[in-house]
Amino acid sequence: DGGITQSPKYLFRKEGQNVTLSCEQNLNHDAMYWYRQDPGQGLRLIYYSQIVNDFQKGDIAEGYSVSREKKESFPLTVTSAQKNPTAFYLCASTTASGNTIYFGEGSWLTVV
Amino acid sequence: KNQVEQSPQSLIILEGKNCTLQCNYTVSPFSNLRWYKQDTGRGPVSLTIMTFSENTKSNGRYTATLDADTKQSSLHITASQLSDSASYICVVSPMFSGGYNKLIFGAGTRLAVHP
Repeated sequence: DGGITQSPKYLFRKEGQNVTLSCEQNLNHDAMYWYRQDPGQGLRLIYYSQIVNDFQKGDIAEGYSVSREKKESFPLTVTSAQKNPTAFYLCASTTASGNTIYFGEGSWLTVV
Repeated sequence: KNQVEQSPQSLIILEGKNCTLQCNYTVSPFSNLRWYKQDTGRGPVSLTIMTFSENTKSNGRYTATLDADTKQSSLHITASQLSDSASYICVVSPMFSGGYNKLIFGAGTRLAVHP
């Protein structure tokens, strides 16, 4: 079955640590996105990529980094520069037309 | 500033009852408006998508309406079930968003259906 797979589902980060969230899709979608979700707030865009080897900052990119070496993969690294990383992270992908948007199941990141 | 505001923030209803969730937006012009259902700790799942020229769209017991003049949308849930307990998110896609899908998300309405 086609879809978006995020891993891990739960991740704990120690102070000063970088952690990487995985996002893989087998939908042959061109564009991929990372969103952050906090309680009581709408999803906020961290980074997006329309094609391989290209990505753009979203509204809250500070403290995060991404790569897009393969069409299927768009990993997100939460760096130690992100001072408040505890949140629910969602990966999404769309076709070139953007008419259909698919979300992964999300990853919970907690700072310990 | 483009905004999407949803009301109420949370809602409790009894199983079998109907309810209506509201979405007001200032995004203009926009290309489409979507409603998503998100179970706790899961990814959002699409319920309906309407272009700016559509007035209503149904998906089973879910019916979305759109009034582009007043910039309001509603999601009506008929004969609620316990499995309808979730957050419902309104999402607007601006027209001319620069070649990528820049979505504007509401904060969601958290619905709890009690037996």
